[in-house]
Amino acid sequence: AQKVTQAQTEISVVEKEDVTLDCVYETRDTTYYLFWYKQPPSGELVFLIRRNSFDEQNEISGRYSWNFQKSTSSFNFTITASQVVDSAVYFCALMDYGQNFVFGPGTRLSVLP
Amino acid sequence: EPEVTQTPSHQVTQMGQEVILRCVPISNHLYFYWYRQILGQKVEFLVSFYNNEISEKSEIFDDQFSVERPDGSNFTLKIRSTKLEDSAMYFCASSPPTDTDTQYFGPGTRLTVL
Repeated sequence: AQKVTQAQTEISVVEKEDVTLDCVYETRDTTYYLFWYKQPPSGELVFLIRRNSFDEQNEISGRYSWNFQKSTSSFNFTITASQVVDSAVYFCALMDYGQNFVFGPGTRLSVLP
Repeated sequence: EPEVTQTPSHQVTQMGQEVILRCVPISNHLYFYWYRQILGQKVEFLVSFYNNEISEKSEIFDDQFSVERPDGSNFTLKIRSTKLEDSAMYFCASSPPTDTDTQYFGPGTRLTVL
């Protein structure tokens, strides 16, 4: 069965620090998709990225970057030079080839001024 | 900028009643999704919809749930006989045909079942 683990329940950093949110997944499928979502205090969900299992190239989008390592079944998310507006709960998710979609429990990031 | 809208923002209902949650996806989008989040818990996928039929559904999406695209703009989630444990925030999302890797979320509907 597929599973997503986000071991960090809460992280606090000071503004301008870099922070990495960990995501470890389990699946028996060789074809799958990985996602990251942001949920700010206002409650809405914001899609950040989707990556398929055949694309191990790291992705950078502004201050955000993602490190996909199949060897360790990890899809970690790094925010560079964090800002207060980055404070949110971040969810990692997995969709396997059988279309089963599982979210991790989320990591609450607090960026302090 | 076009956005996904959802109505109502908050729905209160009695246990056993039927509710319909409405979503208006972005106009040229063809892929639609429903997720829910029980307060303080993780997000759960319910269903995805494409070409007027369900593409995938989770174990949560049992016979009490149904989805429909009754016209060219709305995408609805119906819960036939609500239970207390259906109380949650329900999020709709859509994806364009040219970029199915990206999902655009609505603001959510908070459903409270009494």
